[in-house]
Amino acid sequence: EAGVVQSPRYKIIEKKQPVAFWCNPISGHNTLYWYLQNLGQGPELLIRYENEEAVDDSQLPKDRFSAERLKGVDSTLKIQPAELGDSAVYLCASSQEMNTEAFFGQGTRLTVV
Amino acid sequence: GESVGLHLPTLSVQEGDNSIINCAYSNSASDYFIWYKQESGKGPQFIIDIRSNMDKRQGQRVTVLLNKTVKHLSLQIAATQPGDSAVYFCAERGSSYKLIFGSGTRLLVRP
Repeated sequence: EAGVVQSPRYKIIEKKQPVAFWCNPISGHNTLYWYLQNLGQGPELLIRYENEEAVDDSQLPKDRFSAERLKGVDSTLKIQPAELGDSAVYLCASSQEMNTEAFFGQGTRLTVV
Repeated sequence: GESVGLHLPTLSVQEGDNSIINCAYSNSASDYFIWYKQESGKGPQFIIDIRSNMDKRQGQRVTVLLNKTVKHLSLQIAATQPGDSAVYFCAERGSSYKLIFGSGTRLLVRP
């Protein structure tokens, strides 16, 4: 069974440019999460989806970040415009239901220069 | 701050010894806990979970202990191997179903 797939693995952009990350969760998983992980720290939740509905986006900086999960499967996370402080690893995870274990993708390492 | 995050607590053990990684969680209402292993350049990998109605759960070479009285979680790894070297995170889930991660412990296994 394929795990959570994220792309791209790495992205380098100049500040003020837009960037998008893509996530394909494990088949059949209704819950999808986007996390941000800074170096040496644990992941921090940005947004959680139950099917196509964003049920927790309280940590998402909505002035520059947006996310969508059309049809309740794949999801994209966008930053526009990117700032230097956005450099981090962006992790996607999915779980069958919201009270079961979450499985993570390999992440997208973003570097803003 | 960022400087603290760059210096993860580190546990160094001899290959073949047992390892114990500890975690203090914050929310007394949390009812589900997970241990993750993260190797360099990879996403967190699920190791074992435990619900709040249990105080111990065993897997293959791993045991998780939960002490709700003092809000403490531990991960025991038996016969630690070089492949166990990684950063280990505990995570708690409260009533909002938000999974909150701890700050992580780096495990180094000496050959």
